[in-house]
Amino acid sequence: GQQLNQSPQSMFIQEGEDVSMNCTSSSIFNTWLWYKQEPGEGPVLLIALYKAGELTSNGRLTAQFGITRKDSFLNISASIPSDVGIYFCAGQLYRDDKIIFGKGTRLHILP
Amino acid sequence: DGGITQSPKYLFRKEGQNVTLSCEQNLNHDAMYWYRQDPGQGLRLIYYSQIVNDFQKGDIAEGYSVSREKKESFPLTVTSAQKNPTAFYLCASSMDRNTEAFFGQGTRLTVV
Repeated sequence: GQQLNQSPQSMFIQEGEDVSMNCTSSSIFNTWLWYKQEPGEGPVLLIALYKAGELTSNGRLTAQFGITRKDSFLNISASIPSDVGIYFCAGQLYRDDKIIFGKGTRLHILP
Repeated sequence: DGGITQSPKYLFRKEGQNVTLSCEQNLNHDAMYWYRQDPGQGLRLIYYSQIVNDFQKGDIAEGYSVSREKKESFPLTVTSAQKNPTAFYLCASSMDRNTEAFFGQGTRLTVV
């Protein structure tokens, strides 16, 4: 089936640093979504992107829908301890009803 | 409050028994989804439904069944045919096929 390649798989950063993660695919997407999941909980939507080239911010988070419609990135600025968790990208494929997920980026923040 | 509710949060079953996981939403969403998550893994689509009385298989439908008799409800049955049923199960809904999905809190199923 179609795949989303999310990287990096995990990150260890110092508090206050900026973070960048991305998702790529060989398929074209209509929608890109970024979620955060904490242990034992369901993913929570952070940012939704609907148009190629769209750049959207939500507080310290910024995400972009790639021009080719095959990729997206998420940046977190000035990381804080509560940013710890797993970040998932998800995309809705062009001409398909399904939303598929990347394998996640696990963010660890060192004191 | 509007939202999507999964119950129970933890479920234990003996091997060979069927078990049904509940998912209810009061968001008036047309589309509903079931995903499975294994430790350290992403979410894999089991079944999805875009409208009442209609549903489609996802990537890992074998050993699972669903129904969509009401717009607000999309229960998932894990049958004895599912070889490795222990996992975290997540239900989601979206307004339609082109909008973002919102998740429930998940059900952790353990089969012993």
